[in-house]
Amino acid sequence: AQKVTQAQTEISVVEKEDVTLDCVYETRDTTYYLFWYKQPPSGELVFLIRRNSFDEQNEISGRYSWNFQKSTSSFNFTITASQVVDSAVYFCALSEEDTDKLIFGTGTRLQVFP
Amino acid sequence: DAEITQSPRHKITETGRQVTLACHQTWNHNNMFWYRQDLGHGLRLIHYSYGVQDTNKGEVSDGYSVSRSNTEDLPLTLESAASSQTSVYFCASSDVYSSSYNEQFFGPGTRLTVL
Repeated sequence: AQKVTQAQTEISVVEKEDVTLDCVYETRDTTYYLFWYKQPPSGELVFLIRRNSFDEQNEISGRYSWNFQKSTSSFNFTITASQVVDSAVYFCALSEEDTDKLIFGTGTRLQVFP
Repeated sequence: DAEITQSPRHKITETGRQVTLACHQTWNHNNMFWYRQDLGHGLRLIHYSYGVQDTNKGEVSDGYSVSRSNTEDLPLTLESAASSQTSVYFCASSDVYSSSYNEQFFGPGTRLTVL
């Protein structure tokens, strides 16, 4: 069965701190896709990244970086030098090949204080 | 610009009433999805469709139905609303023919309260 676990319910940091959001997934498929979405206080869901199971290269986009490790079934998300605007709920999600359905984790609420 | 819209954005209804939430996308995407978001559960899949006349049940489909008569719309119907269906509902779509085919684009959400 597919499952996504975000064990951190809520994280609070002070601006400029680095913070890592954990994501652990379970799947029996060899081909799958992992996603991160951001949900700011306004409520919309903002796509951040998609990674397929054959690409284990880490990715960096500005202050955001993602670490994909198949050996530990993890796809962690790090924000460097956090800012107040990073305050949001962040969701990790899994999609298996040929289904397009997203299995979401329960989300991590990040609060960045000035 | 192409987009995905949901209406109404907020709805209050009474237990037992039938409610329909609209979802409309202008991207011509084949795939459309309905999720509900509840605290402690993240987003859970209710129903989904891979094209016109195709509908499938998701993880939490009891009490909900959908129909797909055209590419653009996937309305979600609560046949007899229950308080347990108070939630925020998100519609999403994805393009099966795109290189990022399983990236889903989400609507703004509908907050439904069942009293």
